[in-house]
Amino acid sequence: DGGITQSPKYLFRKEGQNVTLSCEQNLNHDAMYWYRQDPGQGLRLIYYSQIVNDFQKGDIAEGYSVSREKKESFPLTVTSAQKNPTAFYLCATRLNYGYTFGSGTRLTVV
Amino acid sequence: DQQVKQNSPSLSVQEGRISILNCDYTNSMFDYFLWYKKYPAEGPTFLISISSIKDKNEDGRFTVFLNKSAKHLSLHIVPSQPGDSAVYFCAASGGSSNTGKLIFGQGTTLQVKP
Repeated sequence: DGGITQSPKYLFRKEGQNVTLSCEQNLNHDAMYWYRQDPGQGLRLIYYSQIVNDFQKGDIAEGYSVSREKKESFPLTVTSAQKNPTAFYLCATRLNYGYTFGSGTRLTVV
Repeated sequence: DQQVKQNSPSLSVQEGRISILNCDYTNSMFDYFLWYKKYPAEGPTFLISISSIKDKNEDGRFTVFLNKSAKHLSLHIVPSQPGDSAVYFCAASGGSSNTGKLIFGQGTTLQVKP
C-alpha cells in the first residue's frame, strides 16, 4: 500500500531544542516538499527537493534544515533558531501534477 | 505577497444546496490549479484540478471553473452533503520557476447543515 508516513503524529519540544520530523514515502516519487500550516493561513512551503542529494529553500526556510540522502526519506529539522515553531507540518510528494500529502505532525513548543 | 487568495474564511450552506468556494490569484504564469479538502489534524486530500487551457472540469458533484482573464477560479459542490464539511484549499502551480511547488490560499471552512 503506497503512501507517505509522517512520524510522530504529535511532538512536544522544549524551547531551545532541535527536533526532527520524519517523512518516508514508498511511492517512488522524485520530488518531496515540506509545508507548514498555521491557523487561518494556507500551507506555506518550507523546503523542497526535486531529486536525491538536492534541495531548495521555500518561502519560510529560516530556522529549518533538511536532508535528502535517500529517495524515500526527507526529514525536516526544526532548530532553536525557528522563532515560532508551533504548527502543523505536512510532507508531500509529487509525480507530474499529482501531489500526495502525509497525515502531518503537530509540533508544540512547551 | 499573497499570490493565491481565498477571501471568504467560512461558508455555511444547507444540505442539498450548492456550495460555491472562490479563489483569486495574481500570477498569470500559473498553469495548473487544484482544490484540496482538509480535516483537522490530517493531510489535505485531492479533490479536483484544472489546467489553464481549460475553463471547466467536472467530477461527480464537484466542478471547477477557471476564468483566466479575471484570474479567478471557483469550486462548485452540488448537492452539498454534511460530509463535505471541511476546510477547502485552492492551490496553484507553475510560474516562471516551474519547480512544481504549490502555492496555497488561506482556506475556506465549509459547513453543510443537515
